[in-house]
Amino acid sequence: AQTVTQSQPEMSVQEAETVTLSCTYDTSESDYYLFWYKQPPSRQMILVIRQEAYKQQNATENRFSVNFQKAAKSFSLKISDSQLGDAAMYFCAYKGVGGSQGNLIFGKGTKLSVKP
Amino acid sequence: DTAVSQTPKYLVTQMGNDKSIKCEQNLGHDTMYWYKQDSKKFLKIMFSYNNKELIINETVPNRFSPKSPDKAHLNLHINSLELGDSAVYFCASSRGPFTGELFFGEGSRLTVL
Repeated sequence: AQTVTQSQPEMSVQEAETVTLSCTYDTSESDYYLFWYKQPPSRQMILVIRQEAYKQQNATENRFSVNFQKAAKSFSLKISDSQLGDAAMYFCAYKGVGGSQGNLIFGKGTKLSVKP
Repeated sequence: DTAVSQTPKYLVTQMGNDKSIKCEQNLGHDTMYWYKQDSKKFLKIMFSYNNKELIINETVPNRFSPKSPDKAHLNLHINSLELGDSAVYFCASSRGPFTGELFFGEGSRLTVL
């Protein structure tokens, strides 16, 4: 079964600095999707960034970028120029593309605090 | 226009009662989901429907019964509520079961007293 591990329950960053959130996953599939979702105190789950496993190029969305290492099964999220509004729970998630793996499997989350 | 909307957003009820949460998506997606987020923020799939057909049914007590009257709606009915059912329930949708990201509703916080 696929698993997603986020080894950092909590992280803290100074405003305007850069922070990296770690995520590793386990799968026997060769094609899949990986995502980072953000959940602020408002509770809404917001997609931050997505990566297709067949693409070697790391995804980037403005201040958010990933370091996707397929062989190492690692998918870290880098937040540059951190802002107060980035404070939230961040969830790494895996989605398979076949069989019974259509659902999104989440890690346990990393709570990010941003200090002014 | 809210893409995925859930009602109600908050429910407080007594043990033993029955309650329903409704979900609607206006994205034209084929696949809808129910996730449960526990007090430790862990998100776990409960059910998934594709074009009104059940495709994922995780180990969930049979007190939980999803219903999909059409592909834009997925409702969750819970019988004989227990204290352990207290959680936030998220509805989500995606274009298909194996394509792309999930779009989430705002969640429904259920508190069982």
